[in-house]
Amino acid sequence: GNSVTQMEGPVTLSEEAFLTINCTYTATGYPSLFWYVQYPGEGLQLLLKATKADDKGSNKGFEATYRKETTSFHLEKGSVQVSDSAVYFCALSGNFGNEKLTFGTGTRLTIIP
Amino acid sequence: SAVISQKPSRDICQRGTSLTIQCQVDSQVTMMFWYRQQPGQSLTLIATANQGSEATYESGFVIDKFPISRPNLTFSTLTVSNMSPEDSSIYLCSVEGLANYGYTFGSGTRLTVV
Repeated sequence: GNSVTQMEGPVTLSEEAFLTINCTYTATGYPSLFWYVQYPGEGLQLLLKATKADDKGSNKGFEATYRKETTSFHLEKGSVQVSDSAVYFCALSGNFGNEKLTFGTGTRLTIIP
Repeated sequence: SAVISQKPSRDICQRGTSLTIQCQVDSQVTMMFWYRQQPGQSLTLIATANQGSEATYESGFVIDKFPISRPNLTFSTLTVSNMSPEDSSIYLCSVEGLANYGYTFGSGTRLTVV
């Protein structure tokens, strides 16, 4: 079945540092890949997505590239801010529509000023 | 993308009682998904609710414990029955949005069972 392996946390960085959160997946076919973010006390928000190999999703300075050869979808940001402190979830779904999401374990990110 | 109204946002319940969580979507959707997020953990799918048919439950979840209703294409409820402290979690509903928007989640119901 499908699975997502996500870099364990927690991760603590200084403001303006470079961020990478690793995510690899196992799936049949060609899944869609997502990063969701959960700010303290809030629900899940879609951060970015990619639906096919070599697609790059981007939003709010975050980027992730769908790498089929390495089955990876690593999240990166060049300069993090305190407001980026949150829990980040990597997830995948099948590409046939209305399929469930399979989530990674989540990575708690804390940015210190 | 779709907008989901989920309620209640939080509740504290006595063990042995039941709580019904509601999700209202602002557009018609074929499937709705119910997830559980236990404290400090990731999200686990409970069941998929399709209008006009029985919900499909994931391994480890049963209809007697988590009955689901899906009376129309914009609304669904999840009931957590005969609650115990182990049911303390955040429960979220989700729908698939338009092609460019991915899946949308409700704001979640934070349940504490005492």
